[in-house]
Amino acid sequence: GENVEQHPSTLSVQEGDSAVIKCTYSDSASNYFPWYKQELGKGPQLIIDIRSNVGEKKDQRIAVTLNKTAKHFSLHITETQPEDSAVYFCAASPSYGGSQGNLIFGKGTKLSVKP
Amino acid sequence: GAGVSQSPSNKVTEKGKDVELRCDPISGHTALYWYRQRLGQGLEFLIYFQGNSAPDKSGLPSDRFSAERTGESVSTLTIQRTQQEDSAVYLCASSPMGGHGTQYFGPGTRLLVL
Repeated sequence: GENVEQHPSTLSVQEGDSAVIKCTYSDSASNYFPWYKQELGKGPQLIIDIRSNVGEKKDQRIAVTLNKTAKHFSLHITETQPEDSAVYFCAASPSYGGSQGNLIFGKGTKLSVKP
Repeated sequence: GAGVSQSPSNKVTEKGKDVELRCDPISGHTALYWYRQRLGQGLEFLIYFQGNSAPDKSGLPSDRFSAERTGESVSTLTIQRTQQEDSAVYLCASSPMGGHGTQYFGPGTRLLVL
């Protein structure tokens, strides 16, 4: 089945710097890749997603890139702010089993933005 | 509008007891998912509902775990004869459709088995 690896597990940056989180996946048939932000004591919140027919997607300070050949995708946050501090999860949605859309998650990256 | 809600928010139980966790999805969402999140870990898929049927139960870790959904709305996850390794946050998500629709998560139920 699908396996998602996420790096780094922790990331500390200064306010205003950029942050990059990388994920790899194993199932070449996966075609949907969302990123979630989870704040302490809350459920994950979708921040951006990308489908396999595009290579890059941007939403203000957040961008995601996808390389299907290499089976990896990355989250880029520019001009980081203290409120960006949270745990970020990448996920992949495999296409077996009738494409029911269950997500396979990476183990998360704890991002700390220092003022 | 109202998001996904889960109850209870916290549950402490003794080993061997049964527990029921409830999820109220966003109104009109046909797809519903349960995930488990152990401390410091990512989310593990447990079960998926499309309407009231569960076409994918592949993530349930043992036969002590079961779930149902009624009225294409509320879902209940039941853990029988709880074990300490069941301690985790149980998250529910709903989506307006199956497949690769956006999943909206609830706040989770934090289960502690003593």
